[in-house]
Amino acid sequence: DARVTQTPRHKVTEMGQEVTMRCQPILGHNTVFWYRQTMMQGLELLAYFRNRAPLDDSGMPKDRFSAEMPDATLATLKIQPSEPRDSAVYFCASGHLQGPDTEAFFGQGTRLTVV
Amino acid sequence: KNQVEQSPQSLIILEGKNCTLQCNYTVSPFSNLRWYKQDTGRGPVSLTIMTFSENTKSNGRYTATLDADTKQSSLHITASQLSDSASYICVVTDYGGATNKLIFGTGTLLAVQP
Repeated sequence: DARVTQTPRHKVTEMGQEVTMRCQPILGHNTVFWYRQTMMQGLELLAYFRNRAPLDDSGMPKDRFSAEMPDATLATLKIQPSEPRDSAVYFCASGHLQGPDTEAFFGQGTRLTVV
Repeated sequence: KNQVEQSPQSLIILEGKNCTLQCNYTVSPFSNLRWYKQDTGRGPVSLTIMTFSENTKSNGRYTATLDADTKQSSLHITASQLSDSASYICVVTDYGGATNKLIFGTGTLLAVQP
């Protein structure tokens, strides 16, 4: 069945290292979201794309985070250099948000720990 | 500022009992409101979605209501089961034309005890 796939599921890295998280949206979906979830903040929108074009990345720290969609089947979120405060679960979601009654489907998330 | 607030923050109920979760929002213009269920360690899964013209929508034991005038929604869970233990997140879509943005509440953590 169609689902959003995220890799890796877990990542432990040292402070200062580069981290790349990947997302395969559901085929045919035109909108892709990146969210970060922590216990304190809940789900925060980092960036989202419509038809592979970035629409809003105001929630993302620009100096260290970057999000791209090199093609319709892959979205990436990169952190360089990583910091301990980046530790969180990062979710990707996709949907075909052209109207009011539409759905967004979430991946299982990537749990990032920066030590 | 567009916001979505949920209450209570957490809730403990006994198996078999009913409960109601609340969501207030200030998002405008409003497109739709969704309730998601998120199990620990998993991604959110949609329960219901309602447009501004809908007052209620059910999905099994879950019933969501929406009052677009007062900007309030509720999620009612009937005959709770242990598997209902999860976070329930209210999400409002900011209908900005081409830039539909999902605005999340911080969730209600529900624990169903035997």
